[in-house]
Amino acid sequence: DQQVKQNSPSLSVQEGRISILNCDYTNSMFDYFLWYKKYPAEGPTFLISISSIKDKNEDGRFTVFLNKSAKHLSLHIVPSQPGDSAVYFCAASARETSGSRLTFGEGTQLTVNP
Amino acid sequence: DVKVTQSSRYLVKRTGEKVFLECVQDMDHENMFWYRQDPGLGLRLIYFSYDVKMKEKGDIPEGYSVSREKKERFSLILESASTNQTSMYLCASSTVTGGWSLETQYFGPGTRLLVL
Repeated sequence: DQQVKQNSPSLSVQEGRISILNCDYTNSMFDYFLWYKKYPAEGPTFLISISSIKDKNEDGRFTVFLNKSAKHLSLHIVPSQPGDSAVYFCAASARETSGSRLTFGEGTQLTVNP
Repeated sequence: DVKVTQSSRYLVKRTGEKVFLECVQDMDHENMFWYRQDPGLGLRLIYFSYDVKMKEKGDIPEGYSVSREKKERFSLILESASTNQTSMYLCASSTVTGGWSLETQYFGPGTRLLVL
């Protein structure tokens, strides 16, 4: 039972354009959401997060939007740069019931073309 | 900077062998995690530990065990390796901050295990 789903295995965008990565979840107990970025041969690194009391969180070129009614979140990268090419994982946590455990999506490979 | 190190980057083992994957973190983190990453499946939690000598099963613990004798070290053990355990294994650690935010997990570089 995949509680966190990233339906697009890959996304290709031009440098300077917007990248939008999507994530859906099914567990209504999830109350904290994170995005991680992973380069080949490296471990994932934390990118940005959002709690369920917010609907938007911004950090530089990265913005995460949360739509709780739709159980959907998205990561916007503007403008996209070639160095953003990586696999992006969405993750969620139900802190009341699961503490520090994270449930990850399948990942989306983003390719930013120069 | 937080550093999480894993004992091997690449490992080749035979079916039936006992395999030890070691993870060490240098930031005095309470929480440590073992995941495996497979194409199309993302990261799946195998085991985690909130404290020394404590362990809890994740989503896919079958065929694995763990050991946490010291705070900084968390070992993943494959009692009898099988070909379906060929995967990328990732270790992570996090601290307890309290409050509204969730503790960020810091990952090691991963161990790519091939079981023949």
